[in-house]
Amino acid sequence: NAGVTQTPKFQVLKTGQSMTLQCAQDMNHNSMYWYRQDPGMGLRLIYYSASEGTTDKGEVPNGYNVSRLNKREFSLRLESAAPSQTSVYFCASSLLNTGELFFGEGSRLTVL
Amino acid sequence: QKEVEQNSGPLSVPEGAIASLNCTYSDRGSQSFFWYRQYSGKSPELIMSIYSNGDKEDGRFTAQLNKASQYVSLLIRDSQPSDSATYLCAVNMGGKLIFGQGTELSVKP
Repeated sequence: NAGVTQTPKFQVLKTGQSMTLQCAQDMNHNSMYWYRQDPGMGLRLIYYSASEGTTDKGEVPNGYNVSRLNKREFSLRLESAAPSQTSVYFCASSLLNTGELFFGEGSRLTVL
Repeated sequence: QKEVEQNSGPLSVPEGAIASLNCTYSDRGSQSFFWYRQYSGKSPELIMSIYSNGDKEDGRFTAQLNKASQYVSLLIRDSQPSDSATYLCAVNMGGKLIFGQGTELSVKP
């Protein structure tokens, strides 16, 4: 049982480069989320998808785009990376958009 | 001001003591509340959910909710060194799960 799988686990980018974080879940969940975690800041919601075909902004959406490719996959794209986007990114899913989330292992992104 | 506030700690308690973790939230209309535990370098995991005023017990953990005061707490009885982690309070606000900054708990043997 893989649960929620994120790739890559580590990435170093230069300012201005673009990249996509991939997330896939095999639990047949309807809702998926992207959070970032910075020291002392807890988890901050970037974007979420309550169901296939919908996406909504969270607390800190600027500089990011998302795609809910199908029920299983939810990707996060940084079009022009900035040092302020250095963070640990977590993807999560839930059966319904209720708050009971299952998290992936995280992706550590460094922007130089 | 964050929508979900926690004391960042660290909170240090001796083994066997009760650890008390607190959380306040801003949206009076919120109906569902959660506690997640995160070990260092790991991803968060759900340990408790609570939806009604009062107490909810699960083993050594008790979640308490007071919607009038917009206050949620987590009590850990008979704390163990293995409980040392960061505890994150989360509130469902209009379909968005908003987290507090987390409280770091250290249980000393």
